Amino acid sequence: DAKTTQPPSMDCAEGRAANLPCNHSTISGNEYVYWYRQIHSQGPQYIIHGLKNNETNEMASLIITEDRKSSTLILPHATLRDTAVYYCIVIKGANFGNEKLTFGTGTRLTIIP
Amino acid sequence: DTAVSQTPKYLVTQMGNDKSIKCEQNLGHDTMYWYKQDSKKFLKIMFSYNNKELIINETVPNRFSPKSPDKAHLNLHINSLELGDSAVYFCASSKGGQGTNNEQFFGPGTRLTVL
Repeated sequence: DAKTTQPPSMDCAEGRAANLPCNHSTISGNEYVYWYRQIHSQGPQYIIHGLKNNETNEMASLIITEDRKSSTLILPHATLRDTAVYYCIVIKGANFGNEKLTFGTGTRLTIIP
Repeated sequence: DTAVSQTPKYLVTQMGNDKSIKCEQNLGHDTMYWYKQDSKKFLKIMFSYNNKELIINETVPNRFSPKSPDKAHLNLHINSLELGDSAVYFCASSKGGQGTNNEQFFGPGTRLTVL
């Protein structure tokens, strides 16, 4: 699976959009970009994933560049509860348990009141 | 209803003991996983099971033995506990099969402390 690079930490004011970047320059054509987050002491939580089109759900938007070498997770109106470590992970599709999430160091996002 | 549950939430034990952590999912998923998060917060996969069969065994010492009595349960048994086994252990599950969605659902974690 391709490696990812994320900034170690970011701050965002409450109510503003949080934009979290991720580089995955070695991504291959059949690999997806997944985002998870881990709020302190809890299990990781799935946020969103995409292949090449931009995606949006109730939690966030995912913007993937045309060459697929980078992406940005957008939390449109950050709240204090969004303070967490955010992980960008590149992984192939489901394959009977033969796939594994490889967590890097992630980005520690702090929402400032 | 909790989707992925683990028991116990905390486990404190002495070196050399044997202990088990239980995991259950009520999502009807075919695939379950165990991850370990160490003191530096690195989260790494240990095992995956699909339909009760071991798929991934990520060079984990054989003191760790996962057991899947059915698709809804994946328990982790650890023999001869060592100080370095202290960590938070997360269970997860996913639909499995083959397809585009690889979303995994995680349990709340079990914090193991070996004294």
